Amino acid sequence: EDKVVQSPLSLVVHEGDTVTLNCSYEVTNFRSLLWYKQEKKAPTFLFMLTSSGIEKKSGRLSSILDKKELSSILNITATQTGDSAIYLCAVSTQGGSEKLVFGKGTKLTVNP
Amino acid sequence: NAGVMQNPRHLVRRRGQEARLRCSPMKGHSHVYWYRQLPEEGLKFMVYLQKENIIDESGMPKERFSAEFPKEGPSILRIQQVVRGDSAAYFCASSPLRGNNEKLFFGSGTQLSVL
Repeated sequence: EDKVVQSPLSLVVHEGDTVTLNCSYEVTNFRSLLWYKQEKKAPTFLFMLTSSGIEKKSGRLSSILDKKELSSILNITATQTGDSAIYLCAVSTQGGSEKLVFGKGTKLTVNP
Repeated sequence: NAGVMQNPRHLVRRRGQEARLRCSPMKGHSHVYWYRQLPEEGLKFMVYLQKENIIDESGMPKERFSAEFPKEGPSILRIQQVVRGDSAAYFCASSPLRGNNEKLFFGSGTQLSVL
């Protein structure tokens, strides 16, 4: 069965800290890995990664995929209280099912 | 351009009642996905629909759950004879293209509480 595991499950930091969130996966026919931010309720799209070693960047957030290690990291530098959210990692597969397989998420709390 | 609209935001039902959750996709999107999020769990795929067609229902429980996406109107997720274990957040997402589950736009979800 396809599986996505995120770590840590929760993290508390102070404003200005840098955090690294981890995602590992075991799936057949990998197509892409996605990161979402879930605050309040609706998950919002952050990144989609398909190629190993190419960093995607958006402001203070960046992410990279390692297909050899079957994993990805999401980095947030100079954290702000507005970064407090649950960060979800999901994997898409090729052929057959249309579903995304999600991890349980990492709950990030940034204290002032 | 309104996003994905789900209603109600909160729904309380007693055991044995029916729950109907509605999802209006983004304008121009004809593909709808339903996901369920149990407490402390990730989102779990339930069903993928196109207008008037169920494309993939591999995540739907075999009994009491059904989904539709009619030619006109919102997509409906229906849960008959609800039990406490159905309490969860139910999210709808939409996409403009088939097989484009990577570019999903999520609604804010319906929180179902079964008493």
